[in-house]
Amino acid sequence: SQQGEEDPQALSIQEGENATMNCSYKTSINNLQWYRQNSGRGLVHLILIRSNEREKHSGRLRVTLDTSKKSSSLLITASRAADTASYFCATDAHATGANNLFFGTGTRLTVIP
Amino acid sequence: DAMVIQNPRYQVTQFGKPVTLSCSQTLNHNVMYWYQQKSSQAPKLLFHYYDKDFNNEADTPDNFQSRRPNTSFCFLDIRSPGLGDAAMYLCATSRKGGDTEAFFGQGTRLTVV
Repeated sequence: SQQGEEDPQALSIQEGENATMNCSYKTSINNLQWYRQNSGRGLVHLILIRSNEREKHSGRLRVTLDTSKKSSSLLITASRAADTASYFCATDAHATGANNLFFGTGTRLTVIP
Repeated sequence: DAMVIQNPRYQVTQFGKPVTLSCSQTLNHNVMYWYQQKSSQAPKLLFHYYDKDFNNEADTPDNFQSRRPNTSFCFLDIRSPGLGDAAMYLCATSRKGGDTEAFFGQGTRLTVV
């Protein structure tokens, strides 16, 4: 299976704290993406990091990628109650053609107001 | 404005009764995907269309079929739903090639009774 693993499975923090989620994967990748899913809804793309990139920022999000360890992390700074959701990493192993995304197991983040 | 639309949002079907879920997109993307997501699990790729080319994942049951009559529409047919097929079904689209994100619909939650 190409599915990745994420940890922790669940994370509960206070509003204003930082949240860090980790993702490990098995195959070589073209890029790694992070998605957010509110309960019972579709997934929303957050950020994409290419295999030749090591770090990327977008607003309060910071993503790192270590291809030698086949791992990535997502940091959400200054968390808000509205950040409460499940977060999934997804790997794309194809450089051309259809970009099949295989999702990790997800981290359920709860931000307590 | 919704870009990937799934209908219906909730579907109840009887055990063994064929059911069709629909997805439409206004993005003119070449690739359309169907994912199955069971409670508290990662989305699992069932198959995708790359233009008109159909690509089935190796472990997708034969019970699941798909049709893509044109660029905008894609259907998921479950020929004989079992209780184990109850899940959220997510449709997604992306442009072909390169580093591109996927756009997801809101999903159809299927209940089998």
